[in-house]
Amino acid sequence: GIQVEQSPPDLILQEGANSTLRCNFSDSVNNLQWFHQNPWGQLINLFYIPSGTKQNGRLSATTVATERYSLLYISSSQTTDSGVYFCAFEGRRALTFGSGTRLQVQP
Amino acid sequence: KAGVTQTPRYLIKTRGQQVTLSCSPISGHRSVSWYQQTPGQGLQFLFEYFSETQRNKGNFPGRFSGRQFSNSRSEMNVSTLELGDSALYLCASRLEGNRNYGYTFGSGTRLTVV
Repeated sequence: GIQVEQSPPDLILQEGANSTLRCNFSDSVNNLQWFHQNPWGQLINLFYIPSGTKQNGRLSATTVATERYSLLYISSSQTTDSGVYFCAFEGRRALTFGSGTRLQVQP
Repeated sequence: KAGVTQTPRYLIKTRGQQVTLSCSPISGHRSVSWYQQTPGQGLQFLFEYFSETQRNKGNFPGRFSGRQFSNSRSEMNVSTLELGDSALYLCASRLEGNRNYGYTFGSGTRLTVV
């Protein structure tokens, strides 16, 4: 099956710093999405981004489908950004998730 | 607009028992999916329902089953619980035919098997 690799696995930032999270996939994928799992376990859909670039406040995402990767940018990080970030692609009405990037933003 | 509601939030069961988890999707969403999250295996797809029909199933044993009702609410059942079934179970709903909005997840049910 298609493999999804996320990097880095762990990231510690000071509040106010910027970061880039990466998602590589081994083959062409459909309907790439980014999620944030907060410390209480809820998965929040950040972006549905099969291709191109989208922005939502301090977050933006870019997917280059032809080169099989997607990037999530977090600018001016806040402590509330802490948690685990997952990318996922859709196949046969099921999401396949990467292993996630655990982000800790320190005050 | 209410989100995806999962009940209960926490559950402790004994090995060999069975358990039923509930998921109420966003109003108007007829597609409901279930996922299991464990530290070792990460997030894994269990099954997906649409209009009371299971359309896809992940690679889980037959002890894991589900159903969907006419109001789109869904339940999943795990029989003969094993210690390894301890996990966070997440439900997601989506507006069929509108992939641009992706999936919306509930807060999950954290199951502990002792």
